[in-house]
Amino acid sequence: GDSVTQMEGPVTLSEEAFLTINCTYTATGYPSLFWYVQYPGEGLQLLLKATKADDKGSNKGFEATYRKETTSFHLEKGSVQVSDSAVYFCALTRNTGGFKTIFGAGTRLFVKA
Amino acid sequence: DARVTQTPRDKVTEMGQEVTMRCQPILGHNTVFWYRQTMMQGLELLAYFRNRAPLDDSGMPKDRFSAEMPDATLATLKIQPSEPRDSAVYFCASGGDRGELFFGEGSRLTVL
Repeated sequence: GDSVTQMEGPVTLSEEAFLTINCTYTATGYPSLFWYVQYPGEGLQLLLKATKADDKGSNKGFEATYRKETTSFHLEKGSVQVSDSAVYFCALTRNTGGFKTIFGAGTRLFVKA
Repeated sequence: DARVTQTPRDKVTEMGQEVTMRCQPILGHNTVFWYRQTMMQGLELLAYFRNRAPLDDSGMPKDRFSAEMPDATLATLKIQPSEPRDSAVYFCASGGDRGELFFGEGSRLTVL
């Protein structure tokens, strides 16, 4: 079945450091890929998405590129801020008559001032 | 500002009691999901609906959990009887035809 694997956390960085959170997936066909972010006490919210191979999703300085050859969708940011501290979830969706979404385990990010 | 609304936000109950969680999806969204989040298991898909019809509830313990959409503005998740291992945050999410999900703030359930 479909699955998403993320790098284990927590990831601890200093402010202005470069961030990479790895995500790989297993799925048949051509899923859409997403990154969601969860701040403490809140639900998940969409950060960015890519719907086909070689697409790059971007938002708030975060980027991820849909790599079909490596089945990956790694999240990157050039300079993190304390306010980026949160849990990040990689997810895939296929239209199976409904958009069933499968999430990775989540990666907690701590950014120190 | 359209958003998914969940009630209750917090629920503390005793083992054996019935618990009902409610969700109002965003108007116009035709897909509704129930997820459960725990530290140990992460985010688990319990059930989801498209156009109010259940598509997949394989992630849900059938003997005690049930999920329904009595109308397009209400989804419910019921646990009867509740057990301490059901303690978790339960999220409802809704989406349209682009695959993006919009989450509620969650219902934190504690079963003593």
